[in-house]
Amino acid sequence: GQQVMQIPQYQHVQEGEDFTTYCNSSTTLSNIQWYKQRPGGHPVFLIQLVKSGEVKKQKRLTFQFGEAKKNSSLHITATQTTDVGTYFCAGRAGANNLFFGTGTRLTVIP
Amino acid sequence: DAGVTQSPTHLIKTRGQQVTLRCSPKSGHDTVSWYQQALGQGPQFIFQYYEEEERQRGNFPDRFSGHQFPNYSSELNVNALLLGDSALYLCASRGRGWVTEAFFGQGTRLTVV
Repeated sequence: GQQVMQIPQYQHVQEGEDFTTYCNSSTTLSNIQWYKQRPGGHPVFLIQLVKSGEVKKQKRLTFQFGEAKKNSSLHITATQTTDVGTYFCAGRAGANNLFFGTGTRLTVIP
Repeated sequence: DAGVTQSPTHLIKTRGQQVTLRCSPKSGHDTVSWYQQALGQGPQFIFQYYEEEERQRGNFPDRFSGHQFPNYSSELNVNALLLGDSALYLCASRGRGWVTEAFFGQGTRLTVV
């Protein structure tokens, strides 16, 4: 079955440092989405990538979709305490439903 | 414009009991998916409902069943509860077309004792 793995599982950074999480799928994806879940909250949609090699930016966040459409990354520049949470990638193969990655829990130390 | 609403927010049940969780999708959305999120894990897809029928199903036993009503709201039923069913149950809705984002509700925290 489809599997989506993320690394690292946990990441502690000093405020102002950069952060990157990587997502790998066992199958080729039609699109990939990224979500952020704050402690005690629910996943909130961040962005969707559809095209091979696509790069999108949202302020300090940069999202990439691999050329083979099997991997993706999220990079945060100069982290802030408001960035704390768990970041999930979620991939879709064809018309199937979203399969979530294992998540990366980010802690930002002030 | 109300987002996705779920009820109840918290629930405690005993092993062997049955539970029903409810979800109202975001206005304008007709597709509802249910996810189970165990502590420290990512959401696991249970099933999806569209036009009152189960369209896709994840790797969950038949103890997990659902329903979608004409107004697009949905229910998740779990029979013969096990301790391992304790989790946050999330409902997500989206509009037509498969390349759309999912809007999640706040979830129902189910504890089985």
